[in-house]
Amino acid sequence: DIQMTQSPSTLSASVGDRVTITCRASQTISDFLAWYQQKPGKAPKLLIYRASTLQSGVSSRFSGSGSETDFTLTISSLQPDDFATYYCQQYNSYPLYTFGQGTKLEIK
Amino acid sequence: EVQLVESGGGVVQPGGSLRLSCTASGFTFHDYAIHWVRQAPGKGLEWVSVIGADGDDIYYADSLKGRFTISRDNNKRSLYLLMNHLRPEDTALYFCAKDQAEMGANPFDIWGQGTMVTVSS
Repeated sequence: DIQMTQSPSTLSASVGDRVTITCRASQTISDFLAWYQQKPGKAPKLLIYRASTLQSGVSSRFSGSGSETDFTLTISSLQPDDFATYYCQQYNSYPLYTFGQGTKLEIK
Repeated sequence: EVQLVESGGGVVQPGGSLRLSCTASGFTFHDYAIHWVRQAPGKGLEWVSVIGADGDDIYYADSLKGRFTISRDNNKRSLYLLMNHLRPEDTALYFCAKDQAEMGANPFDIWGQGTMVTVSS
């Protein structure tokens, strides 16, 4: 099975900061990587797919990059609404999908 | 509005059964694969199962060991998950999530709000 490892597990930042979250796959997954945002008690929201394609309606402050095993999610200028937990997901090994353990983005 | 609404969660004793439902609106239900994903309290996301648009392609997470059965009724725009031999570790918020396509390697672009399943004596 492909394992997905995110870092850091928790990230403290301030409004206006630029932040980066990393996701590493245990084996190559090409660019079959998605990022989701989840707020407490809410459903996950798709932000980015194919590693760098922004989902329709998602702010351009979010961007993704990477391929094979190493990926990043960057938020260019944090807004109050961005404080949430972020998950990466690989779908290269369809029909077996795995998520990273999550990165909680907190207000400093 | 594109929407998925889950129902059927509740409290069940270990060894018991439960059937979850997910009703779709706002998109052509029969054109898309649909997934179940669960989240244990305070934990991350775990993919459970997927069913293809026409219901013929079905896959499960290895950890379920045949205890869960996914199905769909395209006429009713509904997805189901029959869970048997439930264990305390099945306690979780269960989400249904729409695939970007009829089947294949795709992310999940629409999610429901989830229905809570608690397995406890």
